[in-house]
Amino acid sequence: RKEVEQDPGPFNVPEGATVAFNCTYSNSASQSFFWYRQDCRKEPKLLMSVYSSGNEDGRFTAQLNRASQYISLLIRDSKLSDSATYLCVVNKGSSASKIIFGSGTRLSIRP
Amino acid sequence: DADVTQTPRNRITKTGKRIMLECSQTKGHDRMYWYRQDPGLGLRLIYYSFDVKDINKGEISDGYSVSRQAQAKFSLSLESAIPNQTALYFCATSDSPDRSRGYTFGSGTRLTVV
Repeated sequence: RKEVEQDPGPFNVPEGATVAFNCTYSNSASQSFFWYRQDCRKEPKLLMSVYSSGNEDGRFTAQLNRASQYISLLIRDSKLSDSATYLCVVNKGSSASKIIFGSGTRLSIRP
Repeated sequence: DADVTQTPRNRITKTGKRIMLECSQTKGHDRMYWYRQDPGLGLRLIYYSFDVKDINKGEISDGYSVSRQAQAKFSLSLESAIPNQTALYFCATSDSPDRSRGYTFGSGTRLTVV
């Protein structure tokens, strides 16, 4: 079993829709969590950190469920420009080798 | 100019050749990393460095070496390239011990070993 698992998708949704996807992690001692966005053939860019109480940044909401060991990303009123791959990142500890990247969920927004 | 610059952007090399990928940053970060990305596998850590005198192996360091020539420069070498090292390579930097502000990635080097 992978340490960080994501549904690869693709999720294909119409513009304006709400879409959500999850990421599960296997290590219950994981300390911090992030969502990155990666456009095709480009570098990953930090979208948002995920806080224990959940957090929102505009149309994006991130949630953490420690009991079930998953994080989620919700995108409201999706735009064409939201089309990208979303990477879940889990920090298991203080060492750089403890940062685990998920393989990503591909999202495609259609007009 | 980009905060993290990688050169070359694309490279095709033959099996057995030595190749160096370069990374420089203007972020002023102490911490630098090399990752490779393969389809379906996510990014995997090759090497990382927390300052000029510090080099650490990551998850998949075999077949690679690094040099931290200065705070701003971190290069990755493939001593004798092999086809399964064909991948997208990213350099990244961070400034926060808990990485709460995340990584800044370079734009990547697409390496093909034939």
